[in-house]
Amino acid sequence: AQTVTQSQPEMSVQEAETVTLSCTYDTSESDYYLFWYKQPPSRQMILVIRQEAYKQQNATENRFSVNFQKAAKSFSLKISDSQLGDAAMYFCAYRSETDSWGKLQFGAGTQVVVTP
Amino acid sequence: ETGVTQTPRHLVMGMTNKKSLKCEQHLGHNAMYWYKQSAKKPLELMFVYSLEERVENNSVPSRFSPECPNSSHLFLHLHTLQPEDSALYLCASSQWDSTGEQFFGPGTRLTVL
Repeated sequence: AQTVTQSQPEMSVQEAETVTLSCTYDTSESDYYLFWYKQPPSRQMILVIRQEAYKQQNATENRFSVNFQKAAKSFSLKISDSQLGDAAMYFCAYRSETDSWGKLQFGAGTQVVVTP
Repeated sequence: ETGVTQTPRHLVMGMTNKKSLKCEQHLGHNAMYWYKQSAKKPLELMFVYSLEERVENNSVPSRFSPECPNSSHLFLHLHTLQPEDSALYLCASSQWDSTGEQFFGPGTRLTVL
């Protein structure tokens, strides 16, 4: 079974600065998908960014980018130019390519605190 | 309505009550999921429905009973719950043969007294 580990329970960043959240996963598969979800105080889970394992290029969505290191099984999220609205719990998630039902395996989450 | 909606948003019930949580997706997806989110724990997948058939039950106690009458609606029927069942219950949907992102509802905050 795959496991997803987020080793940072909380990260603090000042507005306009950059913060990087770490995520590692354990799998024996070669094809899979990785996601970062954001859960603000409203508790609504929102997809931030997605990475297909077969793509070498790191995914980017505006101020959010990932550093995907397949051999190291690492998938970190970088938030640039942090804004107060980025304050939330961030979850890393894994989905197997062979799992037809789209099950996601989530990490424990990292709380991001943004200070003015 | 757009996306995934859940009702009620908050629910308080006694251990002997019977209640139901409702989820509706307006995205044309064919798979729906129930997750439990407790404090200090990762999200736990409870049930998966694809094309209205249950395809996964992650050893969930029988006091939780899911129902999927069609591809847009998903229910979670609750009876004789325990205080440790208090949690945020999240519904999600996806297109099961796609790249896998799930779209979540806002959740139901359940408190069992």
